[in-house]
Parts: sequence; structure tokens; C-alpha cells
Amino acid sequence: EAGVAQSPRYKIIEKRQSVAFWCNPISGHATLYWYQQILGQGPKLLIQFQNNGVVDDSQLPKDRFSAERLKGVDSTLKIQPAKLEDSAVYLCASSLGEIRVSGTAYEQYFGPGTRLTVT
Amino acid sequence: KQEVTQIPAALSVPEGENLVLNCSFTDSAIYNLQWFRQDPGKGLTSLLLIQSSQREQTSGRLNASLDKSSGRSTLYIAASQPGDSATYLCAVRANNLFFGTGTRLTVIP
Repeated sequence: EAGVAQSPRYKIIEKRQSVAFWCNPISGHATLYWYQQILGQGPKLLIQFQNNGVVDDSQLPKDRFSAERLKGVDSTLKIQPAKLEDSAVYLCASSLGEIRVSGTAYEQYFGPGTRLTVT
Repeated sequence: KQEVTQIPAALSVPEGENLVLNCSFTDSAIYNLQWFRQDPGKGLTSLLLIQSSQREQTSGRLNASLDKSSGRSTLYIAASQPGDSATYLCAVRANNLFFGTGTRLTVIP
């Protein structure tokens, strides 16, 4: 089974430029997540989609970050304009759903990430 | 808000030693706890997932325990190898997945 795919793997841009990241989740996974991982920290959730609807974007800096998941499959995360503090690894994850009827949570599977450097 | 803490932040051990990594969390209302491995410049590899109703999970040389009432988990690595060198992240699943800052492990040949 193919895993979560992300591209590009690396990106270097200057501040105030724009950048976009792409994620293709595991086939059949309804839930998709974008995380930001700053060097030396754990990943932090930016946005969560259930199919093509947003479930949680409370930690997404909406003045510069945007994300979409058209058709409920692939997703793109965009930053415009970028700041120095946006330098981080952006991780995409997917899961079959959120919470099972049994009350347990579905496991999230992570992609390899995109390392963004803003100079 | 859920907070996850991992101690120590870094650890160096000689090859062959057994070691324990610690994780603590502030809110016991969780669905599960997961341990991940992250190699430099790479994504996250899931090692073990413990459901909230479970006490421990084992996979090969790895054993993870969960004490939900005290908000603690440990990851035990037996007979460490240089290939175990990586950052180990603990994450708890509540309404979201909350991560600790990780323990950077170096196993010295």
C-alpha cells in the first residue's frame, strides 16, 4: 500500500515570496492533516480536513496561510507572503477517519514532509 | 490545553545498553498514545500505539507502557544499536494529536 506522498521535499524561498506544498493521502483516507514542525519542536497541527471540509483550522495563521482539499483527495497548503519564522518542516498525515464507533481513534500516517527554508 | 513533555531532551548511550525514554501529559482524557521515530530530515515513523484502555504494547526490542491516570508513558529500548539513533517523539490523541518536543537518542558503537 502506497504511503502519504508529499512534494516538493525541499524548498528555499526569500521572505515575502509565496510557496505551495502538495499532499496525496493514502487511498481511501477521509481525514487529512497538515502539521508544522519547527526545528527542535514537535509537530503542531495547522489544519484538519474531513473529506473536502475543514474540521479544525484554529492554529492556521489565516492572514498568510491557506489550504484546500478539492474533491476530498489531494491537498495543497500555501503560504503567501512567507516570513522567516515560517522556516520549518511541513508534514501531511492522513487517516481513515477520526473516531471509530467503538470510541477509539484512527491512526494517522505521516508523509516524508517538505522542508521549507525562508531567507 | 493538553501539554506533552519528554525527558530527557537528549541521551547518549553505548551500544548494547537498555534505555528508557519518558513522556508525560497533563490531561488524561486521551484516546491513545503513540511513539514515533524521526530520522534527520525525514518524516515520522510510527513505532507503537497504545489505546487508552491498554497498559503496554511491544514490538521487537521496543516496549511502551501507559499509565493514563498519572499521565505518563515510557518507551523501553532493549539492547540498543547504533541504528536506533534518532529523535523519538511521544504524541497523545485527544481532540487532536499533541506532540512532545522529542528525545534525541545517540547510540555510540
